[in-house]
Amino acid sequence: RKEVEQDPGPFNVPEGATVAFNCTYSNSASQSFFWYRQDCRKEPKLLMSVYSSGNEDGRFTAQLNRASQYISLLIRDSKLSDSATYLCVVQTSGTYKYIFGTGTRLKVLA
Amino acid sequence: GAVVSQHPSWVICKSGTSVKIECRSLDFQATTMFWYRQFPKQSLMLMATSNEGSKATYEQGVEKDKFLINHASLTLSTLTVTSAHPEDSSFYICSALAGLAGVNEQFFGPGTRLTVL
Repeated sequence: RKEVEQDPGPFNVPEGATVAFNCTYSNSASQSFFWYRQDCRKEPKLLMSVYSSGNEDGRFTAQLNRASQYISLLIRDSKLSDSATYLCVVQTSGTYKYIFGTGTRLKVLA
Repeated sequence: GAVVSQHPSWVICKSGTSVKIECRSLDFQATTMFWYRQFPKQSLMLMATSNEGSKATYEQGVEKDKFLINHASLTLSTLTVTSAHPEDSSFYICSALAGLAGVNEQFFGPGTRLTVL
């Protein structure tokens, strides 16, 4: 079983739609969680950190469920510019290593 | 702040040659840097953790004699792919660990695309 699992997609949604991605992790000792965005042939860029209480940044909302070991990302009012691969990242307690999920591809269609 | 650069951004080389990739933290000091590799349509895979002044720690399955890492200063880590072969063609990305406002976060370089002919 992979340490961090995501549905690879692609998710094809129309502009304005709401889309949600889930990510599961296997190591219960995981401490920190992030969502990164990666555009084609570019480096990943931090979208947001994920906190137990949930957090929101504009159209983006992230949630963490430690009991079920999953993380979610909700994108409201999708824009064409949201088209990218969204990477779930888990950092284990005691190390600074990041474990990346395989990523979920999103295509927002006009 | 927290900008990381990589050089070169792309390189094409012949099979059997060695290629050096540099990773620099431009506006902060990084005692720890990481090297990742990403094959097409796959995610980033951690290759090794680079620690300033000490030997790198390699992930399982990564050959330390093939992927030489040197972290000689607090702002520079280098990855040398020795005797490169076509299967080493990949996107190599480094990151530098920065502690900002009490949070340790990795900041990523723009990546180096290696093509081995």
